[in-house]
This record gives sequence, C-alpha cells and structure tokens, in this order.
Amino acid sequence: EVQVVESGGDLVQPGGSLRLSCAASGFTFSSTWMTWVRQAPGKGLEWVANIKQDGSEKYYLDSVKGRFTVSRDNAKNSLHLQMNSLRAEDTAVYYCSTFRGNGWLDSWGQGTLVTVSS
Amino acid sequence: DIVMTQSPDSLAVSLGERATINCKSSQSILYSSNNNNYLAWYQQKPRQPPKLLIYWASTRESGVPDRFSGSGSGTDFTLTISSVQAEDVAVYYCQQYYGTSFTFGQGTKLEIK
Repeated sequence: EVQVVESGGDLVQPGGSLRLSCAASGFTFSSTWMTWVRQAPGKGLEWVANIKQDGSEKYYLDSVKGRFTVSRDNAKNSLHLQMNSLRAEDTAVYYCSTFRGNGWLDSWGQGTLVTVSS
Repeated sequence: DIVMTQSPDSLAVSLGERATINCKSSQSILYSSNNNNYLAWYQQKPRQPPKLLIYWASTRESGVPDRFSGSGSGTDFTLTISSVQAEDVAVYYCQQYYGTSFTFGQGTKLEIK
C-alpha cells in the first residue's frame, strides 16, 4: 500500500526556520516525482514545490522561491522541505504527495501543520 | 502563471440529482502534440487530504465511482456527478499540470439540499 507520512510541523516565529519531512513506503520512491502542497486554514489548495526522481529538477511557487528548498534522500525514502524566513502567510497544513504521469497527485499524506506566529 | 477559476463557489443539490462544477483556465491546457488536456479533479472531505478523482480531464482514477465524470477541452472543463450521494459532500478542486508549476482552482463546496 502506498503511504506518505508528513512530520515536522510546529509553531514558529516570523523569520524562523522549519524542516518538514515526508516518509514514503509501498512504492518505488526513487522512480517517483514528489510534490508539496499547502492549505491555509479554511482556504484552498496551493502547490508549493515539485522535485524530480533524482533531485536534478526542482520547481517552486514564486512566493517561496529563495526561502524554501525541496530535497530528497532516495536511500531513506524521504522527502524534505526546508523553510526559512517564514512569514505569517506560510501558515498552513503542508501535504506531500506522489506525482504521477505529467502531474496529477495520486497519493496524499494526512499533512502537518505549520503555524507562523509571534 | 495559469489561473484556474471554478464556478460556482458552492452548490446545493438534492440526493440523486446531478451536480455540475465548472473550471476555466486562463490559457489552453491542451497539449497539441499528444491531444491531452493537463487537468485533474480532486475531492476533499472535511478533515481529510484531497483525493484524486480524474486526470487527463476525463480519465477516472481507479476505484472512483462511475457517477463521477470529467469533460471539456482547451480552457473549459466540467466535473459532473450524475446522481449525488450523501458521501459526495465535499469541496472539489481542479488542478492544471500543463507547465512546471501547478495551480488549483479555488474550490467548489458541494452540499445536500
């Protein structure tokens, strides 16, 4: 069974940093593009970042470029999102998902909550 | 960036009736070389992650009931639920994956009348 489990969400002050992780199992992680999507409280879905199977290609939402870095460790079947210079508007549940074909997202985790507040 | 706009923002439908949700992209998401529309639909129930329903605008994901169907091409797309069931209460999102960055519609909330 395909499973992705996010962790690392926390309360952090504006300007702070946080590293999210996503543990993958039940599929060939090293052959799968991965994606981060976020959802602010009571709001819709917002794509954040994609990373290619070998990590050689990464794409970001404009508002997080230069602040967020997506990475992966194929030996450990894990995906990460390093978030720096956090802002109140980054407050959201962050989901990781598998990315199939040309970009549909077919297996989502339960999400991890990031709250940016003083 | 491609902007995705859904309509309506919410709708209430009686059990067994048809529900139609529209999604419009700010530019064509039909890739001419393969004649595929780069559009997916998701269902999100309260306190749950999104669930993939449809990709390539009209291909139903495995295990999705056949009352869900997708149609459209170019810039205008539709998700239809042919006979709404109580368990279909959710927010529905369209998503384009035409380029290297993705965008979602704002969501349509489906309720039972």
